[in-house]
Amino acid sequence: NAGVMQNPRHLVRRRGQEARLRCSPMKGHSHVYWYRQLPEEGLKFMVYLQKENIIDESGMPKERFSAEFPKEGPSILRIQQVVRGDSAAYFCASSPRQAGGDSPLHFGNGTRLTVT
Amino acid sequence: AQRVTQPEKLLSVFKGAPVELKCNYSYSGSPELFWYVQYSRQRLQLLLRHISRESIKGFTADLNKGETSFHLKKPFAQEEDSAMYYCALEREYGNKLVFGAGTILRVKS
Repeated sequence: NAGVMQNPRHLVRRRGQEARLRCSPMKGHSHVYWYRQLPEEGLKFMVYLQKENIIDESGMPKERFSAEFPKEGPSILRIQQVVRGDSAAYFCASSPRQAGGDSPLHFGNGTRLTVT
Repeated sequence: AQRVTQPEKLLSVFKGAPVELKCNYSYSGSPELFWYVQYSRQRLQLLLRHISRESIKGFTADLNKGETSFHLKKPFAQEEDSAMYYCALEREYGNKLVFGAGTILRVKS
């Protein structure tokens, strides 16, 4: 099992461009979580998705950010019209069931987004 | 709102010394608490969770509801323990983890 795969590992975008971050969960996992880590800060929850459904997007900025987890293919975190403040490491995690004591999160290596 | 506080950004100890990584939380219900670790050039991974009451790599953590703490301890630090450690909380009926800012542990020889 290859684990949670995120690509690209590094992404550089100019202000105003779009960033698309991909996450393939572990085999058999249907729950995906996205976290953002700003410099000098901890991981901040963004969104929780199951296949074709957004379950909790309470951590997503209201504008420019969207996420999906289609029936087929990876989960995508999309940031439109990026700004310098979007520069961060974005981590994806998956679990076979709703994350909790018996279903810990498995993390990917993250995508480091740099906005110039 | 739930919050996890790790007051130390960096903790530096000598090999063989005891280690305590502090974690305090605020949550009115009954949380589940976790410690995650990220070794250099590796992905974040679960170290231990309070419900299992286990010791992993010599580390233990006890949930103290009175002090709302979940400090991570190890009696004798080893160089391979050097890593970033995150404390995390899951709400009683929640579906997401709330993470602290993390503490870098450096074990010097």
